[in-house]
Amino acid sequence: QVRLVQSGSEVKKPGSSVKVSCKASGGTFSSYGLTWVRQAPGQGLEWMGRIIPTNVITNYAQRFQGRVTISADESTSAVYMELSSLRPEDTAVYFCARELRDDSGGFYYGFWGQGTLVTVSS
Amino acid sequence: SDVLTQPPSVSVAPGKTATITCGRNNIGPHTVHWYQQKPGQAPVVVIYYDSDRPSGIPERFSGSNSGNTATLTITRVEAGDEADYYCQVWDSRGDHPVFGGGTKVTVL
Repeated sequence: QVRLVQSGSEVKKPGSSVKVSCKASGGTFSSYGLTWVRQAPGQGLEWMGRIIPTNVITNYAQRFQGRVTISADESTSAVYMELSSLRPEDTAVYFCARELRDDSGGFYYGFWGQGTLVTVSS
Repeated sequence: SDVLTQPPSVSVAPGKTATITCGRNNIGPHTVHWYQQKPGQAPVVVIYYDSDRPSGIPERFSGSNSGNTATLTITRVEAGDEADYYCQVWDSRGDHPVFGGGTKVTVL
């Protein structure tokens, strides 16, 4: 069974950066895409970007381009999401999720991390 | 448009049926997935491939998809079904997921 375990809560100052980790166990790490989704307080799910570890292909949501970097370390089966130039509106719970391919050529998410709360406050 | 439209809230009495819609122009050809999210928890997929249920999800949960609307139906609603529900499709042009805005199901 696939398990995704994320790093703990963070409190950051505006303008700083945060790096959240997601360590996978079970299953084959490299072949599947890992995605990052965030959820601001009381809001819905917002896709940020994804990575396929085996070939280091990344794809970012346009609104985060230039501010987000997703990376992977195959040796430790971990994926990282770094968000820079933080602002108070980046306060949210950040989730990693592993992709499963659907029958239309796209993906859905059968496995999720527990979430990491990032609070941006001066 | 690639926006998925869900009603913000649905209220249902215990034992009755909850119907949650996910609207988009010509959503029928797209594969729709549904997630349940309880407070303080990560989402859990309850329906994938429009109408398939993962193991462990009760048969009370079902899905359909046709025309401009996908639907998640919960029959014999229980208090434990109270949660937010999100639909999701894949945008093949942009190579990314699209989530609906979410529907809060309240059990009266």
